[in-house]
Amino acid sequence: GQQLNQSPQSMFIQEGEDVSMNCTSSSIFNTWLWYKQDPGEGPVLLIALYKAGELTSNGRLTAQFGITRKDSFLNISASIPSDVGIYFCAGQNSGGSNYKLTFGKGTLLTVNP
Amino acid sequence: GAVVSQHPSRVICKSGTSVKIECRSLDFQATTMFWYRQFPKQSLMLMATSNEGSKATYEQGVEKDKFLINHASLTLSTLTVTSAHPEDSSFYICSADSDSNEKLFFGSGTQLSVL
Repeated sequence: GQQLNQSPQSMFIQEGEDVSMNCTSSSIFNTWLWYKQDPGEGPVLLIALYKAGELTSNGRLTAQFGITRKDSFLNISASIPSDVGIYFCAGQNSGGSNYKLTFGKGTLLTVNP
Repeated sequence: GAVVSQHPSRVICKSGTSVKIECRSLDFQATTMFWYRQFPKQSLMLMATSNEGSKATYEQGVEKDKFLINHASLTLSTLTVTSAHPEDSSFYICSADSDSNEKLFFGSGTQLSVL
């Protein structure tokens, strides 16, 4: 089946620094999604990307859908302590009624104040 | 965004008992819901796809008789862990989509601890 490689596995940064993480896939996805998960909670959708080459921002977050449809990155600018959490990329090939997601292994972000 | 409610948030049970977890879409109708399992410091692993009015589709390696799924209405899917054992202890998360919204929204998860 499809697999996503997400990197880095973890990051330790100082408040105010920018962060970048990415996902690559062995095959094509039609949609890329980025989620954040806090401990003991379900993932919360941050950004959804639907078109190859698309660059989308949500506040301090920016994500891009790679031209090849096999990769995506997420940037966080001017990090703050509440950015701490696990960030997951997810690929989706929607068709008919199937919206099944394939998740990356996550990037654990720690922000030191 | 759309709201998906999951209950209970935490359950502790004895080995051999059954546990039911509910997933509700509060402000939209969900023809499809998904159940995931997540072990500590790991990613979400899809267990099954729950379809309203029909049988669930299970991923390879997931026992359908062990993890019973019922999607009786457009707003409710339930996952029952039957005869739970300590190795079933995990974080279970549901997600839901609607016909008009391809984005998947997640419940807040259920931490199951089997003693």
